[in-house]
Amino acid sequence: AQSVAQPEDQVNVAEGNPLTVKCTYSVSGNPYLFWYVQYPNRGLQFLLKYITGDNLVKGSYGFEAEFNKSQTSFHLKKPSALVSDSALYFCAVRDILSNYQLIWGAGTKLIIKP
Amino acid sequence: SQTIHQWPATLVQPVGSPLSLECTVEGTSNPNLYWYRQAAGRGLQLLFYSIGIDQISSEVPQNLSASRPQDRQFILSSKKLLLSDSGFYLCAWGWDTEAFFGQGTRLTVV
Repeated sequence: AQSVAQPEDQVNVAEGNPLTVKCTYSVSGNPYLFWYVQYPNRGLQFLLKYITGDNLVKGSYGFEAEFNKSQTSFHLKKPSALVSDSALYFCAVRDILSNYQLIWGAGTKLIIKP
Repeated sequence: SQTIHQWPATLVQPVGSPLSLECTVEGTSNPNLYWYRQAAGRGLQLLFYSIGIDQISSEVPQNLSASRPQDRQFILSSKKLLLSDSGFYLCAWGWDTEAFFGQGTRLTVV
């Protein structure tokens, strides 16, 4: 079955330090992978996606993600965290068995401390 | 460019009352449309998705229904709300890859 796992419920990082939010997936065939961010009481905002090509994908707000096929991972990264990066982050994979659905991770709360 | 509108932003409804949440998309045609519910500020539960007018699939049995009367309009309804229907409801649109979300509706059933 297609699935996405975000193993960390919460990640705490000091401002200015690098951050990583982890995501692993299980799909049939080649995955389409996505990261979204959600601020309180707001809809999800698309950050970046991997479809094909370079394993390092750059997205909005200075975020990037690295696709690792052998480890079936798609970790979200940023070299220097900002307090304003504090939010809920979701990883998702497109289900090739159903063209219309995204399979979502449970979300990781990122807290950046000044 | 494409935009998605979802309203209202917040709603407080008594148990047993009806519900209608509306979502419209501009700047695109024949999008896939989705209704999600997010409980306790965490995981997303797909409620309904639609690939075209009058083509709606339900993902979970529940007290809710969805309709798509026009290509870019998606409506979430209930005849009688339950306390358990409280949550944050999100509409989204997309094609074959990513989805784009509305701002959400915070529904509180009292």
